[in-house]
Amino acid sequence: GDSVTQMEGPVTLSEEAFLTINCTYTATGYPSLFWYVQYPGEGLQLLLKATKADDKGSNKGFEATYRKETTSFHLEKGSVQVSDSAVYFCALSTGGTSYGKLTFGQGTILTVHP
Amino acid sequence: EAEVAQSPRYKITEKSQAVAFWCDPISGHATLYWYRQILGQGPELLVQFQDESVVDDSQLPKDRFSAERLKGVDSTLKIQPAELGDSAMYLCASSFKERVYGEQFFGPGTRLTVL
Repeated sequence: GDSVTQMEGPVTLSEEAFLTINCTYTATGYPSLFWYVQYPGEGLQLLLKATKADDKGSNKGFEATYRKETTSFHLEKGSVQVSDSAVYFCALSTGGTSYGKLTFGQGTILTVHP
Repeated sequence: EAEVAQSPRYKITEKSQAVAFWCDPISGHATLYWYRQILGQGPELLVQFQDESVVDDSQLPKDRFSAERLKGVDSTLKIQPAELGDSAMYLCASSFKERVYGEQFFGPGTRLTVL
């Protein structure tokens, strides 16, 4: 079945540091890929998405590129801020019988210190 | 900005009791999802509705869980009887029917604690 694997956390960085959170996936067919973010006390919000190979999703300074050859969708940001502290989830969605349900990774906790 | 509403936000119950969670999706969203998120893990789909019909309930423990969306709008998820292992965050999400690969909008969740 479909699965998503994220790098183990938590990740602790200083403000303005470079961020990478690794994500790899296994899926039948050609999935769409997503990064969701969960800020403390809030629901999940879509951060960015890519729907086909080589697409780059970007939002709020975060980027991720859909790499079909390595089945990866790593999240990057050049300079993190304290306000980026949250839990980040990589997810995929496929068609067929799954009707667009999301399969999530286990989440990566990011803490940014001033 | 339209949001997915969920209630209650927190629920504490004793094992063997019945609990119910309510979700009101964004207006016009035909697809509604219930996910369960155990602490330290990613959400897992319990049940998915397209309008009032269930299209995926393969991971729903049907001996104790039930879900309905009678008029194709709001939805209720019930657990009877609750067990200690049911302690988790229950998330509701919705999306446009025609955007199967698109964004799902999540509510704030209901945190269930079973004692």
